[in-house]
Amino acid sequence: GQQLNQSPQSMFIQEGEDVSMNCTSSSIFNTWLWYKQEPGEGPVLLIALYKAGELTSNGRLTAQFGITRKDSFLNISASIPSDVGIYFCAGHSNSGYALNFGKGTSLLVTP
Amino acid sequence: EPEVTQTPSHQVTQMGQEVILRCVPISNHLYFYWYRQILGQKVEFLVSFYNNEISEKSEIFDDQFSVERPDGSNFTLKIRSTKLEDSAMYFCASRKPGLAGDEQFFGPGTRLTVL
Repeated sequence: GQQLNQSPQSMFIQEGEDVSMNCTSSSIFNTWLWYKQEPGEGPVLLIALYKAGELTSNGRLTAQFGITRKDSFLNISASIPSDVGIYFCAGHSNSGYALNFGKGTSLLVTP
Repeated sequence: EPEVTQTPSHQVTQMGQEVILRCVPISNHLYFYWYRQILGQKVEFLVSFYNNEISEKSEIFDDQFSVERPDGSNFTLKIRSTKLEDSAMYFCASRKPGLAGDEQFFGPGTRLTVL
């Protein structure tokens, strides 16, 4: 399947800081989804992107779908301790909608 | 808010035994999925299911795996003869129909431990 490369692999920040992470692919995706996973839980959908160039917000989260459909970024503003978790990008490029996931960005936030 | 549920939360089994993992998707969703996540690794697609048949499957989903929707609410994953390497978190997901229906909602997972 298509490879999704997420960076950075991990981030260690202080509460109140802004965070930016991104995801790139060697091939075009129809849809990009950003999920958050906490220990022992399933991935929780944060934001879904469908159109090239689309910029979407969900509270303190903002994500954009790259113009080339090969990349996406997720920003978190004014981070808080409950933002801790692993953030995955996922996408699909075929009609079956099977999601390819990136390896995740692990976020740690200190008070 | 409706959510995907999975049982059991943790399953321990002996190598070679059969296991059935159960999922109740969100009620108005029509597309169902199983994914797995080996500890510390990324989430991997196993199989998708629509209209009572498999619509897509990955290389991981070999003859040892099967899926079934035995009634109007449950969606199950069966592993016939478990191997040590089947130890992982197994996530069920569901998606509603429609043009903007790419959003897959995941359950909390079943942790499978094969001894």
